[in-house]
Amino acid sequence: QSVLTQPPSVSGAPGQRVTISCTGSSSNIGAGYDVHWYQQLPDTAPKLLIYDNTNRPSGVPDRFSGSKSGTSASLAITGLQAEDEADYYCQSHDSILSGYVFGTGTKVTVL
Amino acid sequence: QVQLQESGPGLVKPSETLSLTCIVSGGSITSYYWSWIRQPPGKGLEWIAYIFYSGITNYNPSLRSRVTISVDTSKKQFSLKLRSVTAADTAVYYCARMMGGTGSSYWFDPWGQGTLVTVSS
Repeated sequence: QSVLTQPPSVSGAPGQRVTISCTGSSSNIGAGYDVHWYQQLPDTAPKLLIYDNTNRPSGVPDRFSGSKSGTSASLAITGLQAEDEADYYCQSHDSILSGYVFGTGTKVTVL
Repeated sequence: QVQLQESGPGLVKPSETLSLTCIVSGGSITSYYWSWIRQPPGKGLEWIAYIFYSGITNYNPSLRSRVTISVDTSKKQFSLKLRSVTAADTAVYYCARMMGGTGSSYWFDPWGQGTLVTVSS
């Protein structure tokens, strides 16, 4: 039922930069609703990574950054580290569903 | 800091009702929205419902006919009931606090550790 589309997987070598896209539509991201990002390490609950498109909660390394433009948003990880290997999800609000929606999820692999 | 803990049966029979409770500790349950989110094994996240401490609710349209969310501020807990369950409802169920300044841009933080509910006879 995901209305936000993410690539299934991205990979990179340690130290490299990777980006994850989150593509929505005019009823969610394109309508101006903010995008939030979560990191889910294996067998753990998701953890907030970015809120309101670009903001990092206290304790989140500045290697993680977010952006939003039009009907899409992106999460960038610079200086990739082994500990970044996880699933990442975007989240927003959808006016047609009148509720909250998550992206399809992206698995980041550190080569 | 606020911590959330889900509790409830780990096994529910098909056609019966799944009931879960989330206990809020280390902070107030008032003045916040609270949500249930689920994740089938190996799959993505799905928002189920939210409730404000005053009792205002909103449900995922795909589950609305089978779901009830409620809150008990005196016990600092909120609950989920999902009726007529099938194997497709097998998932890890998370509770989470909603944060944000406007009505449409809330995010979820923190999350409970999650509880696996299996629907099987």
